[in-house]
Amino acid sequence: EAGVAQSPRYKIIEKRQSVAFWCNPISGHATLYWYQQILGQGPKLLIQFQNNGVVDDSQLPKDRFSAERLKGVDSTLKIQPAKLEDSAVYLCASSLAGYTGELFFGEGSRLTVL
Amino acid sequence: QQPVQSPQAVILREGEDAVINCSSSKALYSVHWYRQKHGEAPVFLMILLKGGEQKGHDKISASFNEKKQQSSLYLTASQLSYSGTYFCGTPKDNAGNMLTFGGGTRLMVKP
Repeated sequence: EAGVAQSPRYKIIEKRQSVAFWCNPISGHATLYWYQQILGQGPKLLIQFQNNGVVDDSQLPKDRFSAERLKGVDSTLKIQPAKLEDSAVYLCASSLAGYTGELFFGEGSRLTVL
Repeated sequence: QQPVQSPQAVILREGEDAVINCSSSKALYSVHWYRQKHGEAPVFLMILLKGGEQKGHDKISASFNEKKQQSSLYLTASQLSYSGTYFCGTPKDNAGNMLTFGGGTRLMVKP
């Protein structure tokens, strides 16, 4: 079974530039999450989708971050404009619907903002 | 609100035991445990769904005290492969939504 796919794996940009990350969850997984993990910290949840609807995006800095999950399958996370403090690994995870669901994480997209 | 983990770091010799604690100031519906090795994605260990529930996987087990709003992860007779950072996660509601992770406990097992 294919895992959660993310791209790009690495991205280096200048501050104030924009960047987009893509995630393709495991087939059949209705729930998709985006986490931000700053070096040495635990993953911080940015947004959770259930199919193509947003469950909660209260921790997403909406002045610069946006996320969408069209058609309830793959998802993109965009940052515009990027700040130095956005340097982190952006992890995408998916799970089957239901609260007993284990989260399956992708390998992440490492962003460096210079 | 983010659960609090302790200790922040542990160094063990192979074969020693360790306990990692996770506590919350809010009611816990369930507790999830993950392990992340350096440069890799977090990997699921177990979920505890009921107060008082205990689970085990190989020589890693966990307990969940709903009343005390805390969970503990027990690593028995640690192996080199146990090295990594352990995270507990707690959902925002009893449907398991918005899983929030603690700051992590770094575990290093030495030969």
